Amino acid sequence: GAGVSQSPRYKVAKRGQDVALRCDPISGHVSLFWYQQALGQGPEFLTYFQNEAQLDKSGLPSDRFFAERPEGSVSTLKIQRTQQEDSAVYLCASSLSLAGGARRETQYFGPGTRLLVL
Amino acid sequence: GESVGLHLPTLSVQEGDNSIINCAYSNSASDYFIWYKQESGKGPQFIIDIRSNMDKRQGQRVTVLLNKTVKHLSLQIAATQPGDSAVYFCEETSYDKVIFGPGTSLSVIP
Repeated sequence: GAGVSQSPRYKVAKRGQDVALRCDPISGHVSLFWYQQALGQGPEFLTYFQNEAQLDKSGLPSDRFFAERPEGSVSTLKIQRTQQEDSAVYLCASSLSLAGGARRETQYFGPGTRLLVL
Repeated sequence: GESVGLHLPTLSVQEGDNSIINCAYSNSASDYFIWYKQESGKGPQFIIDIRSNMDKRQGQRVTVLLNKTVKHLSLQIAATQPGDSAVYFCEETSYDKVIFGPGTSLSVIP
């Protein structure tokens, strides 16, 4: 079946502009994760949803970052007033798990959205 | 989340040789570990996982070893092929935390 898809694949924004990044998880996957990956580094956790509930947003770097998953499927990561340090690849992953230990289930990653803030 | 280190270690291996990629993890509470392969322009792809009640797990051409005493994880790739060239990340997971390692770039010399 289809994997995790993300759009757009590339986004160039002027500093101060708002951006919205979309993630379509694998159908039926309960858990959804967002990560930020800077060049040459491993992904860093941003936030986690179980269905429509945002259970953990401890990784969001500032209040300019906002994520939602209103119907428990598609998720949007919004960054307001983008700054140059927001330039990174934003990865979305989903997993099937229903249990509280969702972090211990295999995550399937999308290709990422590469954001460049000028 | 956390990601340690700003420099990407590199490993060059001759085609057909075995590769060993190492990872030191940080959280004593981590009980689930995963190795991912990430090719340029793509998201991380699951390779193999291991839970903390095991110290070795084998897959097809890959083996993961876990040493909880020294908090060390390794990925062994047998008969490395050009298609194995990528960046490899370890991930450590506990109930409430996911931490990725800094990654190792594997380059296979034909």
